[in-house]
Amino acid sequence: AQKITQTQPGMFVQEKEAVTLDCTYDTSDPSYGLFWYKQPSSGEMIFLIYQGSYDQQNATEGRYSLNFQKARKSANLVISASHLGDSAMYFCAMREGRDDKIIFGKGTRLHILP
Amino acid sequence: DAGVTQSPTHLIKTRGQQVTLRCSPKSGHDTVSWYQQALGQGPQFIFQYYEEEERQRGNFPDRFSGHQFPNYSSELNVNALLLGDSALYLCASSLVRIREAFFGQGTRLTVV
Repeated sequence: AQKITQTQPGMFVQEKEAVTLDCTYDTSDPSYGLFWYKQPSSGEMIFLIYQGSYDQQNATEGRYSLNFQKARKSANLVISASHLGDSAMYFCAMREGRDDKIIFGKGTRLHILP
Repeated sequence: DAGVTQSPTHLIKTRGQQVTLRCSPKSGHDTVSWYQQALGQGPQFIFQYYEEEERQRGNFPDRFSGHQFPNYSSELNVNALLLGDSALYLCASSLVRIREAFFGQGTRLTVV
């Protein structure tokens, strides 16, 4: 079974609109962390935001927020007021318990339209 | 403060050859992980090094090996290259058990 599912292969959004990228995860470990990364065409994986399974509040980092719904095993990324530079591939990822590896989803390609 | 740096950025090798990729972690980080990202896919974990030892390994054959040096930098070696080894190889550094992992820009390996 897939650990991380991103159901939107591609999205087109008008500049200045808010964007929600979907992510669901599957784990039986009560302790885990969820990540979102941005990958522009240059290839570098840029860390955006992190949510721990025991964190009480939804994580926020500037224009990025993580809508964490633990019971639904959902960790959607919300980008407020999108701009052209947000066009990139976005990956949801998870690290379980004491495991060291990060497991990535297949990604969502976001296109911001002028 | 330098982030994670990888070298080279691009590489073309022939089937059967061997390749070495290099990674310098972010300043202050002691743990280095390597990932392989095939075209159109998410990165797949290869292995992680901490205190110059391999801590954990993903589902990759023994042709993939690594090393970590006392200054925390790391190398990824791939022997007997196959066409299927063509991918972007990403290095990530972190502090052990600390949440964020920061990635380099990757080395794009093409096997012909």
